[in-house]
Amino acid sequence: GAVVSQHPSRVICKSGTSVKIECRSLDFQATTMFWYRQFPKKSLMLMATSNEGSKATYEQGVEKDKFLINHASLTLSTLTVTSAHPEDSSFYICTGARGETQYFGPGTRLLVL
Amino acid sequence: QQQVKQSPQSLIVQKGGISIINCAYENTAFDYFPWYQQFPGKGPALLIAIRPDVSEKKEGRFTISFNKSAKQFSLHIMDSQPGDSATYFCALLGGNEKLTFGTGTRLTIIP
Repeated sequence: GAVVSQHPSRVICKSGTSVKIECRSLDFQATTMFWYRQFPKKSLMLMATSNEGSKATYEQGVEKDKFLINHASLTLSTLTVTSAHPEDSSFYICTGARGETQYFGPGTRLLVL
Repeated sequence: QQQVKQSPQSLIVQKGGISIINCAYENTAFDYFPWYQQFPGKGPALLIAIRPDVSEKKEGRFTISFNKSAKQFSLHIMDSQPGDSATYFCALLGGNEKLTFGTGTRLTIIP
């Protein structure tokens, strides 16, 4: 058990467009979901904490108006990258928390041209 | 502010050997210490985790050794196999439910 899915797995978009990434906990309810960003050969950087039914909490330096997070249900959180630019190209990964364990999704690779 | 230091950055081990990755942390505000394994292009997967009230935990070929007084914990992979080649991250979980990750170790198992 404890499977987290992400959709899409890869997305290529033009600069200035918005991209939505979905994160779903398939077999458990995740009151809290986390969004991470990972650059090539680097560690994971926490972007924000997403709590069902409330506003997301963003880490220092992360623009909340650029990275919109919605946690509409106990199994779904979405990350929308608004007005994407090439520097937003990265690997975005979500987790669903069950107890003290975070289960990672497979990640979404975003390429902004 | 780096709260966890992971070493080595990269590691090459011969098949059948023991792979050892170390992490050291700076304060005692953490109560759960997981290790994650990540293959290229994939999300990290929980490998094994330990709490600070035990000094060692073993699951198959994977063992975590924990030294609370030294604020260090390590991952040992026994009988390392080519399929173990991946990047490994240690992490710390504090009371705020947030994970703090180490910088990662790229492990390569050679035949």
